[in-house]
Amino acid sequence: GAVVSQHPSWVICKSGTSVKIECRSLDFQATTMFWYRQFPKQSLMLMATSNEGSKATYEQGVEKDKFLINHASLTLSTLTVTSAHPEDSSFYICSAYTQGDRYNEQFFGPGTRLTVL
Amino acid sequence: GNSVTQMEGPVTLSEEAFLTINCTYTATGYPSLFWYVQYPGEGLQLLLKATKADDKGSNKGFEATYRKETTSFHLEKGSVQVSDSAVYFCALKKSSGDKLTFGTGTRLAVRP
Repeated sequence: GAVVSQHPSWVICKSGTSVKIECRSLDFQATTMFWYRQFPKQSLMLMATSNEGSKATYEQGVEKDKFLINHASLTLSTLTVTSAHPEDSSFYICSAYTQGDRYNEQFFGPGTRLTVL
Repeated sequence: GNSVTQMEGPVTLSEEAFLTINCTYTATGYPSLFWYVQYPGEGLQLLLKATKADDKGSNKGFEATYRKETTSFHLEKGSVQVSDSAVYFCALKKSSGDKLTFGTGTRLAVRP
């Protein structure tokens, strides 16, 4: 149990286009989802925290107009990178969290590698 | 603020060697501590955790003990395998639902 999927697993796009990444909790309802960005050989940087039905909370330095996050349901959150540029190329990872008897930790998706040409 | 410091890698070991990856933290109160593992091309998987002082987390032969007095959570394994080659992240969380604060990760390479 506690499986989180991401789609797509990798994407290549042209500079200036927008890319949407989906994060789904497959067998549990996630009240909170987190989006991370990972640079090569570096740690994960938290970008934003989203709670179902409310606006995402962005970390300092993260452009909310560039990285649009929607958490429309308890099993789906999306990250849209708008007007992508080569410097947005990175590995994006989501995690899902729900508090309860069975689960009280974050479960991570497999990540999405974005390459902007 | 909260922070996690890990030893820099990469760490290269021969199969069956003993592994230690150091992790120290800075936080107020009593955070929960975690070790995550990331295999090549994959996302993070929880390896083990400890939620209070003196707790020992263990999984797949790995162990880490929550040391409040030294603010440490070092990861150990008595005999590593080639399949343990991955990046290991130490992390802390202040409370349920709070965000995780990660260390920079330590890459482990195990030679046959």
